[in-house]
Amino acid sequence: DIVLTQSPLSLPVTPGEPASISCRSSQSLLHSNGNNYLHWYLQKPGQSPQLLIYLGSNRAPGVPDRFSGSGSGTDFTLKISRVEPEDVGVYYCMRSLQAPTFGGGTKVEIK
Amino acid sequence: QLQVQESGPRLVKPSETLSLTCTVSSGSVSSADYYWDWIRQPPGRGLEWIGSIYYSGITYYNPSLNSRVTIAVDTSKNQFSLNLRSVTAADTGVYYCARRNTVRGVYWGQGTLVTVSS
Repeated sequence: DIVLTQSPLSLPVTPGEPASISCRSSQSLLHSNGNNYLHWYLQKPGQSPQLLIYLGSNRAPGVPDRFSGSGSGTDFTLKISRVEPEDVGVYYCMRSLQAPTFGGGTKVEIK
Repeated sequence: QLQVQESGPRLVKPSETLSLTCTVSSGSVSSADYYWDWIRQPPGRGLEWIGSIYYSGITYYNPSLNSRVTIAVDTSKNQFSLNLRSVTAADTGVYYCARRNTVRGVYWGQGTLVTVSS
């Protein structure tokens, strides 16, 4: 089974400063078609998760450009260029092919 | 605008069956572009995929729950359902139904909290 490992588990951030979250997969998520089937979601307090990034690096419609995704194969990164107070919540990476798998989550909170 | 809405009992007794239905609006469970998922989240914890059904009726289950789970689709009602048998307190949590496209991601319902307790 594929395991997604996120780090850090908790990330205190200062508004206006950058933030970075890592997601590592136990197996490559790079498909033969060239797509990395790795998505990023943000679950704000009391809400359902919302899609931020799909296929590793594509921003979902309506997502601010301060969010970016990168990586390929087994190593992926979500970056926030300048954290806003509304970015607090738990961030999850997710493998979207076959049996979906979620990372354990990274809780982002304001210092 | 797609809507997916969970419904069913919010309280289930231990050893009984948890049954939920997801009603899909402004979209079709017969579409070949999507999988229809059940995902759960224990209180204060992370997300766990339970299983999926494709429009053809093919099902995929989390191996850790496989022996207790059945997911079915009712195309006439544009719904899909979850049955989880022999529940324990460990099955308490928010249950989400969702539509998944492997490229464009998951569209989530609002979720429903199900508590297993006598």
